Amino acid sequence: AQSVAQPEDQVNVAEGNPLTVKCTYSVSGNPYLFWYVQYPNRGLQFLLKYITGDNLVKGSYGFEAEFNKSQTSFHLKKPSALVSDSALYFCAVEPGANNLFFGTGTRLTVIP
Amino acid sequence: NAGVTQTPKFRVLKTGQSMTLLCAQDMNHEYMYWYRQDPGMGLRLIHYSVGEGTTAKGEVPDGYNVSRLKKQNFLLGLESAAPSQTSVYFCASREDRSDQPQHFGDGTRLSIL
Repeated sequence: AQSVAQPEDQVNVAEGNPLTVKCTYSVSGNPYLFWYVQYPNRGLQFLLKYITGDNLVKGSYGFEAEFNKSQTSFHLKKPSALVSDSALYFCAVEPGANNLFFGTGTRLTVIP
Repeated sequence: NAGVTQTPKFRVLKTGQSMTLLCAQDMNHEYMYWYRQDPGMGLRLIHYSVGEGTTAKGEVPDGYNVSRLKKQNFLLGLESAAPSQTSVYFCASREDRSDQPQHFGDGTRLSIL
């Protein structure tokens, strides 16, 4: 079965420290990979995507993500966390045929 | 630029009542989607459409119907609401390319008593 896993429900990090939000997937073929962010009472907003090419992709608000094909992972990173980064983050994988699989989300809290 | 607009934002229904959720997008996107979001379960696809006049089932279609009579609108109907359909519903749209992200509305919070 195809699936996306976000192993941490909650990640806490101090302001100014680097952050990582983990995502692994089990999908056949070469899927497209996405990260979205959700703020309270809002819809999901696109952060970044990996389609092909360089394994490190850069996105909005200083976020980046590292694609690792051998580990089937796509971890979200930021060198220096801001309090305003506190939100719910979703990893999503599209293997094709108009199927987008979402992880269950990771709540990031940045502590001042 | 409104993007994806969902109406209503909140609604409370009694078991057995029916209602329709409206999604409108102004980006001329071909693809539109309806998801439900429940705690600890991420987003689950209910139905989707790849163009005007087309619809298809997603992961959790039972108890819902949809229609796409106009390209910019995608309607989600609950014929006989059940408490298990209490959720936050999100609509999304996308260009007809898999490498493009989906654009989401701000959701409809629906409670079934």
